[in-house]
Amino acid sequence: NAGVTQTPKFRILKIGQSMTLQCAQDMNHNYMYWYRQDPGMGLKLIYYSVGAGITDKGEVPNGYNVSRSTTEDFPLRLELAAPSQTSVYFCASSYSQGRGNTIYFGEGSWLTVV
Amino acid sequence: GQQVMQIPQYQHVQEGEDFTTYCNSSTTLSNIQWYKQRPGGHPVFLIQLVKSGEVKKQKRLTFQFGEAKKNSSLHITATQTTDVGTYFCAAYGNKLVFGAGTILRVKS
Repeated sequence: NAGVTQTPKFRILKIGQSMTLQCAQDMNHNYMYWYRQDPGMGLKLIYYSVGAGITDKGEVPNGYNVSRSTTEDFPLRLELAAPSQTSVYFCASSYSQGRGNTIYFGEGSWLTVV
Repeated sequence: GQQVMQIPQYQHVQEGEDFTTYCNSSTTLSNIQWYKQRPGGHPVFLIQLVKSGEVKKQKRLTFQFGEAKKNSSLHITATQTTDVGTYFCAAYGNKLVFGAGTILRVKS
């Protein structure tokens, strides 16, 4: 199993540009998540999904959109990129949510908005 | 929403010294998880604690869950340079919430 795969690993965007961070998992996990991590800081939940066709906002959803058309894929869309969106983005997945379920993270996507 | 507070934010130790990070919640937790993130890497699951007063060990790492299930600690005995990174606790409310993390640096 590849686990959670994120692309691209690095990207530089200009202010106002849009892009999509791709995320795929091959563990047949129901739950998928997008987190952002600013330098030296913790993880903030952007959006999550409990299954195909179902998504919900996390702590910091503004400026982002997601979709979940399949169990495997959970892309994160940045519209009108702003410098405040410079961060490391982690996609993650888990079989379920709640007691006993661990989260598996992708290797991260480093995004710089200039 | 549920929050977990983690202290200290940062600790710099001499190799061979011990290290402890603490995670506290104002509410009772059903369980708590610990993750480690190496510099430039992604968080990796270390362990989960479920029972009140539970203590688990992984080599030099000792994890403890408080009797009231409102706090937890991670203790590393005789730190090594391979221990550097950020240690996060995480707890479930209606979704998993991460603490801010403790950054550990080890001087050799």
